[in-house]
Amino acid sequence: DAGVTQSPTHLIKTRGQQVTLRCSPKSGHDTVSWYQQALGQGPQFIFQYYEEEERQRGNFPDRFSGHQFPNYSSELNVNALLLGDSALYLCASSRYFTGDLGAFFGQGTRLTVV
Amino acid sequence: GQQVMQIPQYQHVQEGEDFTTYCNSSTTLSNIQWYKQRPGGHPVFLIQLVKSGEVKKQKRLTFQFGEAKKNSSLHITATQTTDVGTYFCAGRSGANNLFFGTGTRLTVIP
Repeated sequence: DAGVTQSPTHLIKTRGQQVTLRCSPKSGHDTVSWYQQALGQGPQFIFQYYEEEERQRGNFPDRFSGHQFPNYSSELNVNALLLGDSALYLCASSRYFTGDLGAFFGQGTRLTVV
Repeated sequence: GQQVMQIPQYQHVQEGEDFTTYCNSSTTLSNIQWYKQRPGGHPVFLIQLVKSGEVKKQKRLTFQFGEAKKNSSLHITATQTTDVGTYFCAGRSGANNLFFGTGTRLTVIP
């Protein structure tokens, strides 16, 4: 039983470019949440997807968008990248009606914007 | 907005000493979770506390949720080198998303 998988593991982009990060949730989970973790900080909630809809959103600009597919996998898109977007992007999966109890995090995607 | 603060930010202990990290929320929480993140790794879920005054134990780890459901603590007895990492609390206050604390980075000196 695979856990949460994210791809790619590392990524280097140039300021102004766009990036897409991918996440496959743990088997049996239907909800995907995305977090941004800057170096030395705690994860910051970006948004959560359930039933292919954005259900909750944190304090992130519209440059951050997402999508959830029928198989529950999800993408995070960031447009017009800024240097400050450099961070570890974490995906967490869970079952919607149990909240985040036992939320499983993926290994993350390390994004560097130069 | 909701804020979750943790103290201390860093803690260095000699192996065998005890360790405690404290978590304080600006709002009342419906529940609180604790995670451990090893250097270079991702957060790993440890436990969730729901009830006011709840205390849960996992071997050498003791978790407590305050009576007012605005604070929590994690206590590790007789630390080991395998306890090294950053410990985060994460609280939810009604909404279905978690607010992570600032974390406490634990270093254990052998």
